[in-house]
Amino acid sequence: QVQLQESGPGLVKPSQTLSLTCTVSGGSINSGGYYWSWIRQHPGEGLEWIGFIYYSVSTYYNPSLKGLVTISLDTSTNQFSLNLGSVTAADTAIYYCARYAMAQGSFDYWGQGTLVTVSS
Amino acid sequence: QSALTQPASVSGSPGQSITIPCTAISSDVGGFNYVSWYQQHPGKAPKVMIYDVSNRPSGVSDRFSGSKSGNTASLTISGLQAEDEAEYFCSSYTNTNTLVVFGGGTKLTVL
Repeated sequence: QVQLQESGPGLVKPSQTLSLTCTVSGGSINSGGYYWSWIRQHPGEGLEWIGFIYYSVSTYYNPSLKGLVTISLDTSTNQFSLNLGSVTAADTAIYYCARYAMAQGSFDYWGQGTLVTVSS
Repeated sequence: QSALTQPASVSGSPGQSITIPCTAISSDVGGFNYVSWYQQHPGKAPKVMIYDVSNRPSGVSDRFSGSKSGNTASLTISGLQAEDEAEYFCSSYTNTNTLVVFGGGTKLTVL
């Protein structure tokens, strides 16, 4: 059973960089057929796709984040990470990591989510 | 404005059936073939209930079904149960730089 777990600071100051890590267990992050993903949910609102990484060589980001986001992958630790720069209060949200199964076109496994608050 | 439009809320009584529509408001979702549906209970992560328009993952009740007609996908829940009360989101892969979009979500209330 694949499991994902987010970790990182719950509070980030405005203009700083939000950094989160997702640890994957029960499966290799280096297996084909899956995009490793970050999704966020503003309080009481819907879901927003942040981006994908595939095999450490291909990354895809939501253009609305205007080049402030970077997703990276570390096969030695079976983790992938999110960096979101120059954060503002509008980046306060629950951040989820998830696995996107390409053959099914769906996010089949999710982390439990972590609330990140941007505040001074 | 989301590329996928859902009603904000629907409701039904136990045992009844309800349908939640998800309408693509542009051609950006291509053939709208990679539609998935997620159930989210308060304080929990979303859970996939339907993928590829009408396929159910292993372990999901057969009371949940998906379909598509034109630019509208639908999630139908039959034999409503109290545990079905949750938020439901549709999602689609797109042929734009925003590779994945979500609908705004529909709050299902079981009366």
